[in-house]
Amino acid sequence: AAGVIQSPRHLIKEKRETATLKCYPIPRHDTVYWYQQGPGQDPQFLISFYEKMQSDKGSIPDRFSAQQFSDYHSELNMSSLELGDSALYFCASSLGQGPYTGELFFGEGSRLTVL
Amino acid sequence: GQNIDQPTEMTATEGAIVQINCTYQTSGFNGLFWYQQHAGEAPTFLSYNVLDGLEEKGRFSSFLSRSKGYSYLLLKELQMKDSASYLCAVSPYSGAGSYQLTFGKGTKLSVIP
Repeated sequence: AAGVIQSPRHLIKEKRETATLKCYPIPRHDTVYWYQQGPGQDPQFLISFYEKMQSDKGSIPDRFSAQQFSDYHSELNMSSLELGDSALYFCASSLGQGPYTGELFFGEGSRLTVL
Repeated sequence: GQNIDQPTEMTATEGAIVQINCTYQTSGFNGLFWYQQHAGEAPTFLSYNVLDGLEEKGRFSSFLSRSKGYSYLLLKELQMKDSASYLCAVSPYSGAGSYQLTFGKGTKLSVIP
């Protein structure tokens, strides 16, 4: 079965550079979530989109922005990168409407290292 | 806001039973979830409770008491592969199309022979 696809899997950037992470949700899933997980930390919710509109906002820095496109894939743009942005970034998808099983399906994550 | 507490670490023996507790305080509630996460990998869904009581799924069971803000995950017949972090998460439900989860800090379970 198709899963959530994230790219790139690994990314190394310098401070003050920009980075873009991409997420392709499971087919027919209309909701995408972005989470940031630092070393030894729990996943922190950043932002979510439903039907291409922002539906919820968590602890996303102002330096970060995201959007969901017409094909439902999403991109997380990070600018003026800081050392503290080094983390594993997970994308998850779900079906926004319909029977709610409570399950978010996570991608394998994109590991960002800022030097 | 949401506040979720669970033990940081636990150790149990292969073949045994272990119970991981979670207490939560949340401004809204649309369910409590347990996810398993192996180091460096994505969290994977284990269970979902929205009503009080016990949900059983094979070797894993999850219990919820909404009045007490309490849940536990019960793992039976422990196997070495069960060594992982177990994340308790609450869905505050912010409206149609958003079921974002707030995760606890996770309980790192080590299964020893």
